[in-house]
Amino acid sequence: KQEVTQIPAALSVPEGENLVLNCSFTDSAIYNLQWFRQDPGKGLTSLLLIQSSQREQTSGRLNASLDKSSGRSTLYIAASQPGDSATYLCAVSPLRAGNNRKLIWGLGTSLAVNP
Amino acid sequence: SAVISQKPSRDICQRGTSLTIQCQVDSQVTMMFWYRQQPGQSLTLIATANQGSEATYESGFVIDKFPISRPNLTFSTLTVSNMSPEDSSIYLCSVSRDTEAFFGQGTRLTVV
Repeated sequence: KQEVTQIPAALSVPEGENLVLNCSFTDSAIYNLQWFRQDPGKGLTSLLLIQSSQREQTSGRLNASLDKSSGRSTLYIAASQPGDSATYLCAVSPLRAGNNRKLIWGLGTSLAVNP
Repeated sequence: SAVISQKPSRDICQRGTSLTIQCQVDSQVTMMFWYRQQPGQSLTLIATANQGSEATYESGFVIDKFPISRPNLTFSTLTVSNMSPEDSSIYLCSVSRDTEAFFGQGTRLTVV
């Protein structure tokens, strides 16, 4: 059974720091992995999608890597800003016939970037 | 990408009543997904809604409590029936396009 774990559960950093959020999954048979951002009480915004054949994706100050064999993904945020404060969620899409859109979710990392 | 409009964004409801949440997508999609996010928790899939057929519910969720409609390829509704305080959550609509998942802004429901 696929399980997704995110470490740390919470993180508080001063503005300007580079930081790394971690996501691990127990079954390497995945279709893709996706990172989301969620502001308090709001919906989810897709940040980066990494297909199983890819090693990393970049968008602005964000870089996500994927090591499928070890079951790990990292989200790197460069030069963090107070506006980056949110919960970051990782989700994997298991590689199962006819069901590859059902996502398995981590519990998220709650990030606070202090001015 | 996909643009999803979800209504209402929040509501406070009396126990025993029902609330219907609407989800509108900017283009046609085969499947739409409804999630629940309880306070301090991650997302839990309630059901998958296909146009023209009954929704497929996940373990622990039943149609009588969470009836879903999917009248066309761009619209779906989720009803939370006979609400209790335990139903207080954020409810989220989602679609998948080119294997990427997109979400509405969520409905924050408080049952008193």
